[in-house]
Amino acid sequence: GENVEQHPSTLSVQEGDSAVIKCTYSDSASNYFPWYKQELGKRPQLIIDIRSNVGEKKDQRIAVTLNKTAKHFSLHITETQPEDSAVYFCAAASGGSYIPTFGRGTSLIVHP
Amino acid sequence: DSGVTQTPKHLITATGQRVTLRCSPRSGDLSVYWYQQSLDQGLQFLIQYYNGEERAKGNILERFSAQQFPDLHSELNLSSLELGDSALYFCASSVGSSGVQETQYFGPGTRLLVL
Repeated sequence: GENVEQHPSTLSVQEGDSAVIKCTYSDSASNYFPWYKQELGKRPQLIIDIRSNVGEKKDQRIAVTLNKTAKHFSLHITETQPEDSAVYFCAAASGGSYIPTFGRGTSLIVHP
Repeated sequence: DSGVTQTPKHLITATGQRVTLRCSPRSGDLSVYWYQQSLDQGLQFLIQYYNGEERAKGNILERFSAQQFPDLHSELNLSSLELGDSALYFCASSVGSSGVQETQYFGPGTRLLVL
């Protein structure tokens, strides 16, 4: 089955810096890669996603890149703000099964 | 507020017991998904129902079962509970049947503690 590795497990940055979270996946059939943000004590929320026919996608300060050959994808957050502090999860899913496999999460801490 | 409701918010029970978690999807959503989030295993997909029928199955134990009723609410039944079943259980819903490839709206979760 699919295996998703996520790094780092914890990321501490200063407000205004950029943050990058990386994920690798094992199943070449995976074609959909969502990212979720989970604030402390709250529910996960989809923040951005990318499909395998696209190499990069941006939404304001957030961007996701995908390298299908290397089987890795990354979340980039620019101009970080304290409210970006949360746990971020990546996931991979293939069109055939629709079953997502999640990374273990990255705790992002943005210091004011 | 996502529009997805889950009850109860917290549940404390003993090993060997059985509990039922309830989820009501957003109005108009036909799919319900169950997820387990624990420190050991992270976030794991358990099962999906679409319009009353099981659609996809993930890492759901045989001691666990779920169903979706005609009014589209869903229940997750956990039996012969073990300490390791302590976790946060999320329900999510979406309009169609495409699973994670369409936007899922998560409920607030039920925190289960097995003592």
